[in-house]
Amino acid sequence: QVQLQQWGAGLLKASETLSLTCAVHFGSLNNYYWSWIRQPPGKGLEWIGDISHSGSTQYKPSLKTRVTISLDTSNNQFSLKLSSVTAADTAVYFCARGQRFRRYGLDVWGPGTTVTVFS
Amino acid sequence: QSGLTQPLSASGTPGQRVTISCSGGSSNIGFNGVVWYRQLPGSAPKLLIYSDNKRPSGVPDRFSGSKSVTSASLAISGLQSEDEADYYCAAWDDSLNDWVFGGGTRLTVL
Repeated sequence: QVQLQQWGAGLLKASETLSLTCAVHFGSLNNYYWSWIRQPPGKGLEWIGDISHSGSTQYKPSLKTRVTISLDTSNNQFSLKLSSVTAADTAVYFCARGQRFRRYGLDVWGPGTTVTVFS
Repeated sequence: QSGLTQPLSASGTPGQRVTISCSGGSSNIGFNGVVWYRQLPGSAPKLLIYSDNKRPSGVPDRFSGSKSVTSASLAISGLQSEDEADYYCAAWDDSLNDWVFGGGTRLTVL
């Protein structure tokens, strides 16, 4: 059964760059889309963007100028970078697996990484 | 930015059937499939329903989904104490090129 393991810095100063990585265990990057989603404290879910197995990306329009999602096929993992963070970026960040057809949803999720931005 | 609309809360007693509604628009629910997630406190969301009414392997048939034009519903029958969680609907929005989520419904088992 596919499992996602994620890690990255949990405490950032405003204006720094958030960097998280998600490793895919017991499965392949091939034929799937790999997403990042976040959840601010006490709030709902917000999709950040995704990357296909071939490397094509799609980002949430309001975050597009600050987000980069990339693949590392040799290590079977993918990463998120979010630049110029502010307190509004404080959230639990999840990585997840999706498919080409969005209607199938995100069926495998990482456990989440708490990121706190201080000023 | 538009999201999907869900009730803030729902409740039921053990064994009862409850439904949670989700309202959207023509560019999201109306055009694409709706999915439902369950999130237990401190945990990642779990996919319950995809493509309006399909259950992933391992999800009990107590959970069912339906869709009508631009609205959807999640039904939970035989309510159990472990069903107490937050439930989110979501759909891809072709106009926004973005996933839109409902605000979440907190289900309480009385």
